[in-house]
Amino acid sequence: DAGVTQSPTHLIKTRGQQVTLRCSPKSGHDTVSWYQQALGQGPQFIFQYYEEEERQRGNFPDRFSGHQFPNYSSELNVNALLLGDSALYLCASSLGGDAAFGSGTRLTVV
Amino acid sequence: AQSVTQLGSHVSVSEGALVLLRCNYSSSVPPYLFWYVQYPNQGLQLLLKYTSAATLVKGINGFEAEFKKSETSFHLTKPSAHMSDAAEYFCAVSDRRGTGRRALTFGSGTRLQVQP
Repeated sequence: DAGVTQSPTHLIKTRGQQVTLRCSPKSGHDTVSWYQQALGQGPQFIFQYYEEEERQRGNFPDRFSGHQFPNYSSELNVNALLLGDSALYLCASSLGGDAAFGSGTRLTVV
Repeated sequence: AQSVTQLGSHVSVSEGALVLLRCNYSSSVPPYLFWYVQYPNQGLQLLLKYTSAATLVKGINGFEAEFKKSETSFHLTKPSAHMSDAAEYFCAVSDRRGTGRRALTFGSGTRLQVQP
């Protein structure tokens, strides 16, 4: 039973570029949440998707957007990248219960 | 609004010693409380959670935590540290409203170092 998988594991982008991160939820889970974890800090909630709609959103600008597909997988898009967007991006999936986390995508903005 | 404060960004203990990681929360509604562990280059693994049943919660790997409403605390303990416990630990809170799809608010983490 595969857990939450995220791709890519690492990537480097230049300021101003756009990036797309991908997440496949744990089998049977229908809800996907995204978190940003800056170095030395705890994860911060970005947004949550289920039934292909954004249901909750944290305190992040509109440069951060997402999508959920019919198979429950999800994408996180960040436009106009800033140096401060460098972080570990974690995806978590759930089915109304405890969330399962992926290993994350390490984004470095240079 | 909810928040979590973890006292001590770094804690060092000797192998076999008591582990105590502190967490205080602030919540305007009755909370759910969680402890997660993160090993290097990995995601978060749930250690234990409090959801209003017993106030003393037992988790995996010998960890436990006690919910104290009067102190707004949810400290994590383990009687005897093992080298494999060295990791980053996060306390988190969510509210009980909604369908169960709750966003988590995390503390800033405590790095546990275990000395041989």
